[in-house]
Amino acid sequence: AQKITQTQPGMFVQEKEAVTLDCTYDTSDPSYGLFWYKQPSSGEMIFLIYQGSYDQQNATEGRYSLNFQKARKSANLVISASQLGDSAMYFCAMRDYTDKLIFGTGTRLQVFP
Amino acid sequence: DAGVIQSPRHEVTEMGQEVTLRCKPISGHNSLFWYRQTMMRGLELLIYFNNNVPIDDSGMPEDRFSAKMPNASFSTLKIQPSEPRDSAVYFCASSLDRVEHTIYFGEGSWLTVV
Repeated sequence: AQKITQTQPGMFVQEKEAVTLDCTYDTSDPSYGLFWYKQPSSGEMIFLIYQGSYDQQNATEGRYSLNFQKARKSANLVISASQLGDSAMYFCAMRDYTDKLIFGTGTRLQVFP
Repeated sequence: DAGVIQSPRHEVTEMGQEVTLRCKPISGHNSLFWYRQTMMRGLELLIYFNNNVPIDDSGMPEDRFSAKMPNASFSTLKIQPSEPRDSAVYFCASSLDRVEHTIYFGEGSWLTVV
């Protein structure tokens, strides 16, 4: 069965530092997509970054990058140069042949000055 | 471009009343999802439509919940009768139906049942 695991309920990082949010997944399907979403306190779900299972290179989007280790089934999100506005919940999610998007439990990131 | 549009944004209702949540997906998207988010259970997928047909409703909590998609541009999630434990944020999301396509979320409907 598909499963997404985020083991860090909360993380703290100082402004301008980099932070890594962990995510591991489980699926038997060779074709899948991995996504990260940000949910600020206002509640909306904001798409950040996507990594396909067949992609050879790690995805990057501005200050966000995805550290994809296929053999370990991990898809960690790296945020470089953290900003106060990065404080939010971050969800890792996976979409496979079922087309459904399954979410992890999330990590609450707090950026302090 | 318009994103996924949900209504109402906020609803407070009394236990036993019928609640109808509405969703307009992004034009051209053929997959539509309803999610529920609570502190206790996180983000749960309730039902998934593809080309207006319900494909997987295994996440629908019980018979009090029903969802329809009469056409490609409109879906409803209905709760009848509502109970306090239904209080949650309900998200509608849409996408094209391939693993590489991003699923975009509406702003959510915040439901409180008193």
